[in-house]
Order: sequence, then C-alpha cells, then structure tokens
Amino acid sequence: NAGVTQTPKFRVLKTGQSMTLLCAQDMNHEYMYWYRQDPGMGLRLIHYSVGEGTTAKGEVPDGYNVSRLKKQNFLLGLESAAPSQTSVYFCASNSPRAIYEQYFGPGTRLTVT
Amino acid sequence: AQKVTQAQTEISVVEKEDVTLDCVYETRDTTYYLFWYKQPPSGELVFLIRRNSFDEQNEISGRYSWNFQKSTSSFNFTITASQVVDSAVYFCALRILSGGAQKLVFGQGTRLTINP
Repeated sequence: NAGVTQTPKFRVLKTGQSMTLLCAQDMNHEYMYWYRQDPGMGLRLIHYSVGEGTTAKGEVPDGYNVSRLKKQNFLLGLESAAPSQTSVYFCASNSPRAIYEQYFGPGTRLTVT
Repeated sequence: AQKVTQAQTEISVVEKEDVTLDCVYETRDTTYYLFWYKQPPSGELVFLIRRNSFDEQNEISGRYSWNFQKSTSSFNFTITASQVVDSAVYFCALRILSGGAQKLVFGQGTRLTINP
C-alpha cells in the first residue's frame, strides 16, 4: 500500500495563476481532508469530504475549491493564487468505521510569488 | 469552543535531559479523542499516540510517556533521556465530530530542539 500520496511535492506559482493539487489514497477510506500548515498556527482544515461526490468547507475554505469525483482521489484547486496561500498543504484520510488516526500524505510545499 | 493550546512555542534542551510538552484542550463533547503527532525536519507527520476520553491511564512507550488528566483538560507528553533524533515539531490534536466527519483540531505546535 502506498497510503496517502500527494502530487506535486513542490510548486511555485505567480499571483493569479491556477493549479490543482492531487491527493490519492489506496486504503478505501471514505473520509478525506485538506489542511494547510503555516508557521506558528498548526494545521488548519480547508475542506473535507465524507464520501465520493460530497465536499464541505472547513475552517479556512476561502480561495480554494475541491472535488471528489472518485473515492480514492481528492483534488484541491486554487483558481487565482495569492501570496497568502503560500503554505504547506497536507492531505489526510481515514475510515469512519474504525477509531483510528488520520493518515497523512507527505505534504506539498506551495510558494506564491 | 473546540480548541487545543500548546503554550510552548519552542523548547531547547541538552541531550539526555527529560522534557515535557504541554497540551491543553477545550471541548464540549463528552466523548473525544486526543492525538500527538511528530513532524521531523523532513516534514511528514508521524502519528505517535491516540487517547480516548474514557481512558485516563497514563501511557508509556519506550522513552515516551503521556499524562492525560481530564480534570485539568491536559494531555502532556514527556520524553525521557532525550536524543538528538527527537528534534522535531510536535503537535497535539483533538478529534471532533462535526458535519458528519471526524475533524482534527491542531494546536500550534511545539518546536523541540535537542542539542548534543
């Protein structure tokens, strides 16, 4: 099992550009999450999904969109990147049927200039 | 409010010293879970421990131990005889049930540096 993977690992964008971050998991988990990590602020939830075709807003959703067309994939989109979106992005997944920790991907470091 | 506070932003100790990382949480739920994650310099998040609100027994795993006290809403983490490899950012997190999903609320993290 690869667990949770994220693509790309690093990216530099210019203000106003768009991009999509891909999260994939091979554990058949229903729940998937996108977090951002900023210095001194821990991880904050951007969006989450409780199943294929469903998404919901987390704590800091503004400026991001998500889609969950397939159970194993959760996409995070930035339509018009801003310097404030410079961050490290983590994807996570877990099953609702077991009281286990969320499994995290390795992270994507995004810089917006 | 559902909140986790790690008041210690940075801690620096000399190798072999014991060190305790504090975690205080707030929740209105009667059933909840608390977690500790380690983030080494390589950046990934490594799960360390999960504790549910019904189990207040302290946990020990090698040099690591955790003290869960509901009376003070604290879930502190102690490293005994610290080593340089323990240098990392450590996050405490609270799992809440909201919107049909299990969400993690993270503390701000404590950067631990172990000096040789």
